[in-house]
Amino acid sequence: DVKVTQSSRYLVKRTGEKVFLECVQDMDHENMFWYRQDPGLGLRLIYFSYDVKMKEKGDIPEGYSVSREKKERFSLILESASTNQTSMYLCASSSPGQGREETQYFGPGTRLLVL
Amino acid sequence: SQQGEEDPQALSIQEGENATMNCSYKTSINNLQWYRQNSGRGLVHLILIRSNEREKHSGRLRVTLDTSKKSSSLLITASRAADTASYFCATDGTSGSRLTFGEGTQLTVNP
Repeated sequence: DVKVTQSSRYLVKRTGEKVFLECVQDMDHENMFWYRQDPGLGLRLIYFSYDVKMKEKGDIPEGYSVSREKKERFSLILESASTNQTSMYLCASSSPGQGREETQYFGPGTRLLVL
Repeated sequence: SQQGEEDPQALSIQEGENATMNCSYKTSINNLQWYRQNSGRGLVHLILIRSNEREKHSGRLRVTLDTSKKSSSLLITASRAADTASYFCATDGTSGSRLTFGEGTQLTVNP
């Protein structure tokens, strides 16, 4: 079974702190994604990566950066946390398939509170 | 705007009843997927239907796709309390690996 793990389930940070959210997958997937989920807004894509050291902006990249130094690990970085980044953060991975039928496998999520 | 939009936003039924959720999208797709999310957890893939398919079954799940209307439905038959969760549709567009998710339908199945 595919396993996607996220470093923390709950995190409390102060405004202005630098925050690292780590995601690791164990199925050698090429693609990895970071989403945030907010009530009434659904899942919104922040950044994604198709390969090591590659990154692409999603729909809401402002205030975030990412790092993918190894294939299995994709980190989301909040350079200076703000209260409007309080949210549930979900990591996912997938692998290109035939016909581009790509199921995404999600981690359990990190609920971040910025005070 | 969201590529996939689910309807209704919330649905409450009794155990044993069927639950139907709908999804509409705006642009052409290769496939459409449905995911489930238990409260406070990550999403879990349920079923995928390709753009050239009209109906697909998996256990108690039945998915239909109407590309002319750009809509899909997810039917859960003989629902159970354990089916209580949020259900999301996701579309892939015709380029790239990214998915666009709707806002979800919150299903509550009362025992």
